[in-house]
Amino acid sequence: QKEVEQNSGPLSVPEGAIASLNCTYSDRVSQSFFWYRQYSGKSPELIMSIYSNGDKEDGRFTAQLNKASQYVSLLIRDSQPSDSATYLCAVIRGGADGLTFGKGTHLIIQP
Amino acid sequence: DAGVTQSPTHLIKTRGQQVTLRCSPKSGHDTVSWYQQALGQGPQFIFQYYEEEERQRGNFPDRFSGHQFPNYSSELNVNALLLGDSALYLCASSFKAVRDFYEQYFGPGTRLTVT
Repeated sequence: QKEVEQNSGPLSVPEGAIASLNCTYSDRVSQSFFWYRQYSGKSPELIMSIYSNGDKEDGRFTAQLNKASQYVSLLIRDSQPSDSATYLCAVIRGGADGLTFGKGTHLIIQP
Repeated sequence: DAGVTQSPTHLIKTRGQQVTLRCSPKSGHDTVSWYQQALGQGPQFIFQYYEEEERQRGNFPDRFSGHQFPNYSSELNVNALLLGDSALYLCASSFKAVRDFYEQYFGPGTRLTVT
């Protein structure tokens, strides 16, 4: 059974601080890892993808992957109130597979 | 650049009825995956279509079926609706031919309510 675990939160972070979101996965065959942002009542929006161990930075976002520990994280620097949303971690074995999602972490940025 | 589109936006059906949801993938994409998202949960994979065939299926009963057309658009059909089928149904598109580019982009979803 493929599982993706996330702390459901809510995670409350002051504006301007770094928000740190974490995710663990059980399927060692997983190849690709994604972070989606989902605002209430909306569909998930892809914000980061990472395929290799290490860090990947895109603007205020940094994704970190450690395959040995089966751990993925997302850092959001200079957090803004508009970052308040649910962040979904997703993993996939390969292109012919479906994404396996965690339940999401509800992030609240306090002005 | 046209994104993923879905129709209808909202739908209300009665138990036992059948429903068809539609999806057009992002321009340049050839693969469509369908997901069901219950309130407070992450999306659950239903199935994936590529080259007009179902390539992979999640843990859903065969009441859930689909189709992909030559223009890559897709339909999700659900028969004998149950109250538990009430959820947000999401379509995601991707481009299979490019290795490592397994990124899936979601449409706005169809909110299905079964009464």
